[in-house]
Amino acid sequence: ILNVEQSPQSLHVQEGDSTNFTCSFPSSNFYALHWYRWETAKSPEALFVMTLNGDEKKKGRISATLNTKEGYSYLYIKGSQPEDSATYLCASQEDSSYKLIFGSGTRLLVRP
Amino acid sequence: DTGVSQDPRHKITKRGQNVTFRCDPISEHNRLYWYRQTLGQGPEFLTYFQNEAQLEKSRLLSDRFSAERPKGSFSTLEIQRTEQGDSAMYLCASSLAYYEQYFGPGTRLTVT
Repeated sequence: ILNVEQSPQSLHVQEGDSTNFTCSFPSSNFYALHWYRWETAKSPEALFVMTLNGDEKKKGRISATLNTKEGYSYLYIKGSQPEDSATYLCASQEDSSYKLIFGSGTRLLVRP
Repeated sequence: DTGVSQDPRHKITKRGQNVTFRCDPISEHNRLYWYRQTLGQGPEFLTYFQNEAQLEKSRLLSDRFSAERPKGSFSTLEIQRTEQGDSAMYLCASSLAYYEQYFGPGTRLTVT
């Protein structure tokens, strides 16, 4: 994998459904994996930064896992709410580099 | 809670004009980043400052683009002789730690 890839591109779910997204990233020279939530007309909000293989992080109903050996991360949302509607971005950071390499994002719409 | 601020939030300009954007980072952050996001894509890295020193520039930053961070506080991004392809969201981020970047709300540029 040369780029950061996210799937699906978009997702429509019903309120109360649980959902998950995938982020694939280059596993060589890996330093950190970032997840952001970006609501329209607002600043991207940092959700998680993960660095260790097997890392699992949780923030309320949202959690994320990391596999650095195979180069993927999952983001889970339990019991989706309309306010979870946003674009979810993941970004990879290589060792000795400050820049983030972003995927194209997953656009989530939660219907009431 | 003072986050990263950007000004203006929106800019419409005619092709060939020069534009300048400003970013005010979180006050104690010594690192500042500029990214650009075009429709359907994730943010792409443009440049990075540590204090007033510009340490890295992407090949995306053509000769028409210049960024400064005088005195290591706010930063400006200038685009000269704008082209329609410059239309994008320009995002600024700042950080203190090596990997945690906090984003502003962006400046949306439309070149007509």
